[in-house]
Amino acid sequence: QQPVQSPQAVILREGEDAVINCSSSKALYSVHWYRQKHGEAPVFLMILLKGGEQKGHEKISASFNEKKQQSSLYLTASQLSYSGTYFCGTGGGNKLTFGTGTQLKVEL
Amino acid sequence: DVKVTQSSRYLVKRTGEKVFLECVQDMDHENMFWYRQDPGLGLRLIYFSYDVKMKEKGDIPEGYSVSREKKERFSLILESASTNQTSMYLCAIRKLLGTVSNYGYTFGSGTRLTVV
Repeated sequence: QQPVQSPQAVILREGEDAVINCSSSKALYSVHWYRQKHGEAPVFLMILLKGGEQKGHEKISASFNEKKQQSSLYLTASQLSYSGTYFCGTGGGNKLTFGTGTQLKVEL
Repeated sequence: DVKVTQSSRYLVKRTGEKVFLECVQDMDHENMFWYRQDPGLGLRLIYFSYDVKMKEKGDIPEGYSVSREKKERFSLILESASTNQTSMYLCAIRKLLGTVSNYGYTFGSGTRLTVV
């Protein structure tokens, strides 16, 4: 079953912050985050392996709460280059199941 | 860095045709995947392979098959294309970042298939 992402879409002004959430009905062993810019392939941002662990990529960080079976992606002081669709991916073993995506648009 | 190449960027096929989508990687990664991407549905796994001649069904395998005769090449086959298979198809490889549970996917640039 696909993880659920929220919000589905968000529009920001440059410099604003945003949070994207990813929830699963199944126990989570790891959570991936990817960003896909328009017309391009998804690009790996980070993987979170331990509960409560926060990781960062540029001014983007994420947390992973195993007990709540959810992860959140934090975008701080957003830039125009952050625009795109963000996907979380969950799973164990060999394969990932991706959420339906969150469209993020950063405007001047 | 690993390169994942999908042979066609755009493809138009007729209903009932047999369609082959090719994916080639330039390193020795064992795990390869085929996803389809549709608006509002995200990326859904069709099939994956963890070694030559080894394959497993994903979440939506109906109407598809795969072939992996060589490690670097993973093909997706639409046995008899239908209009509901019009989609963006993405190939990916799994790249280890450390331990076996620490990995990321590298995607190809995708093939946009239209079935008419």
